[in-house]
Amino acid sequence: GDSVTQMEGPVTLSEEAFLTINCTYTATGYPSLFWYVQYPGEGLQLLLKATKADDKGSNKGFEATYRKETTSFHLEKGSVQVSDSAVYFCALAEGGSEKLVFGKGTKLTVNP
Amino acid sequence: NAGVTQTPKFQVLKTGQSMTLQCAQDMNHEYMSWYRQDPGMGLRLIHYSVGAGITDQGEVPNGYNVSRSTTEDFPLRLLSAAPSQTSVYFCASRTTGIRTPLHFGNGTRLTVT
Repeated sequence: GDSVTQMEGPVTLSEEAFLTINCTYTATGYPSLFWYVQYPGEGLQLLLKATKADDKGSNKGFEATYRKETTSFHLEKGSVQVSDSAVYFCALAEGGSEKLVFGKGTKLTVNP
Repeated sequence: NAGVTQTPKFQVLKTGQSMTLQCAQDMNHEYMSWYRQDPGMGLRLIHYSVGAGITDQGEVPNGYNVSRSTTEDFPLRLLSAAPSQTSVYFCASRTTGIRTPLHFGNGTRLTVT
């Protein structure tokens, strides 16, 4: 079945450092890919998405490119801030299914 | 615009007790779902609904019941709580189409002793 594997955390960075959170997926067709973010004490919210190969999703300085050849959707940000501290989830959705499949989440802590 | 509202925020139950977690959305979304979040497990789908009167099972449905009598509400019932159901529960909704983003509530933290 469909699955998402993301790098295990926690990840701890200093402010202004470069961030990469790896995400790879397994799917039978051509899924849409998402990154969701969960701030402390809150529900998840959509950070960015890409619906087809080579698409780049971007939001709030975060970017991720849908790479079909490597089945990857890595999340990157050039300069993280303390306010980016959160748990990040990679997810996929495949046409014909009503189920969104999530990775296990990666906790990011950014220190001043 | 309230979005997805979950009540209560916190709940403590004894083993064997029953309760209902409430979820309401005011965005006229057809699709609604329940997830549980456990450390190291990510989010796992419990039940979902694609419209009023229609529900289906997700990945971990055992021990939970749902119904969808209106578009707005999607309650989750625990008939006989067990310690294994200690978790954080999230309700989420979206418009029609798997590629549209989910809107999440702020969660209910449930402890079963």
